[in-house]
Amino acid sequence: DIQMTQSPSSLSASVGDRVTIACQASQDISNSLNWYQQRPGKAPKLLIYDASNLETGVPSRFSGSGSGTDFTLTISSLLPEDIATYYCQQFENLPLTFGGGTKVEIK
Amino acid sequence: QVTLRESGPALVKPTQTLTLTCTFSGFSLSTYGMYVSWIRQPPGKALEWLARIDWDDDKYYSSSLETRLTISKDPSKNQVVLTMTNMDPVDTGTYYCARRGGYPDYDALDVWGQGTMVTVSS
Repeated sequence: DIQMTQSPSSLSASVGDRVTIACQASQDISNSLNWYQQRPGKAPKLLIYDASNLETGVPSRFSGSGSGTDFTLTISSLLPEDIATYYCQQFENLPLTFGGGTKVEIK
Repeated sequence: QVTLRESGPALVKPTQTLTLTCTFSGFSLSTYGMYVSWIRQPPGKALEWLARIDWDDDKYYSSSLETRLTISKDPSKNQVVLTMTNMDPVDTGTYYCARRGGYPDYDALDVWGQGTMVTVSS
C-alpha cells in the first residue's frame, strides 16, 4: 500500500496568513493526488484533483502543487471559514489511501 | 442533483456483522467508469478507505480489512451495500459512502454522503 504522510498535523494561523500543508507519498504517484477539506462535523469536500486542479466552486485562494512524491496545498489568505482538517488522498494504486490530516485553526 | 445517503444500525455488539446501505440518486452506477467507495473515520481520527465497487461489478478492498468486508450493489434500487463481519470496538466511527466524479477527466470522490455513526459496544 502507498503511505501518505502529511505535515504538520495541526497549525494555528491568523486571518489573512498564507498557509501551506505538505503531503508526501511513499512512492512515486505522478500527479494522482486529491485534496479534501473536512469542516467540523461535516463530510469531506473535494477541493483539488490531479494535484493542482481546482474543483468547480472552490475559491481561488486554494491551490495545489507537486508531483512524484511531494505535494503542497496552499491557502493564500486564510479566512475563518477555512477552519477545517485537510486530507490528501492518492489514487495511483488501489487501495486508495489518505494522509493523516492537517487541522487548521485560527490564532 | 447527486446525493448519497448512508443508513444502518447506530449500535452493534462485538462479534456481530454490520450491514450498511448507501442509497444514491442523480447518477447511475451502470455508467462506464463510475464507482462508489466506502470510507470510515474513527472519532477524532483520519479517514480510512474501506472498499469500492465499480460499474462493471469489479470490487476492491482495504488490504487490512479485506477478509471482513463484502461490497455489493443493486442498480435497480440505486444502492450499494457494505457488510463488515466480526465487529470490534475499534470499528466505532462514522461511515461514509462517496461516488467517483470526473470521469474520464479525473478520478476523485466528488460527492459524499453525510455519514452514519456506528458504535460497537456490548
